Amino acid sequence: NAGVTQTPKFRILKIGQSMTLQCTQDMNHNYMYWYRQDPGMGLKLIYYSVGAGITDKGEVPNGYNVSRSTTEDFPLRLELAAPSQTSVYFCATQRPQGGRRETQYFGPGTRLLVL
Amino acid sequence: KNEVEQSPQNLTAQEGEFITINCSYSVGISALHWLQQHPGGGIVSLFMLSSGKKKHGRLIATINIQEKHSSLHITASHPRDSAVYICAAPSNFGNEKLTFGTGTRLTIIP
Repeated sequence: NAGVTQTPKFRILKIGQSMTLQCTQDMNHNYMYWYRQDPGMGLKLIYYSVGAGITDKGEVPNGYNVSRSTTEDFPLRLELAAPSQTSVYFCATQRPQGGRRETQYFGPGTRLLVL
Repeated sequence: KNEVEQSPQNLTAQEGEFITINCSYSVGISALHWLQQHPGGGIVSLFMLSSGKKKHGRLIATINIQEKHSSLHITASHPRDSAVYICAAPSNFGNEKLTFGTGTRLTIIP
């Protein structure tokens, strides 16, 4: 049971390049999240999904896109990388339990540097 | 004013000391999360609580929903407890959107 996996672990991008951060889970959790963590700042929600085919914006969605075609995968796309997107990106999952949610399970993170 | 505030920002203590980290929040109504971020960067969820108290090993979390305040306590602290502790409150009723504090960096000295 791998839990939540993210690839790549680290990436350097040039300004204007694009890339996809991969997130895969094998826990059959409906809810998935993308966060970014900047130095000295709290985690901020980029996008989230409550199930396959359903996504919604979080607090800081500009410059990113997501898709959720399967329960397992929730990729995050950067179309035109900018230095402001230099950050550590975490994917997380959560299982709905009736009307409530349980704790979130985090992936190991992807460190992205845009130069 | 930040929606989720933690105190202290940094805490250094001797091994064995009783540790308290506080979290006050102005958003959220249903539950509060406590997370631990290891020095290597990995994040682990410790607790999600909506009332009263929860205990896991040497960690205890309490919450007062009316006062929008929660505390995380560590008894008999150990150097391996050194980490950043983060609280987060849901900003919507469905508990999907979390607002995170900036964390408390805890260092336990042997």
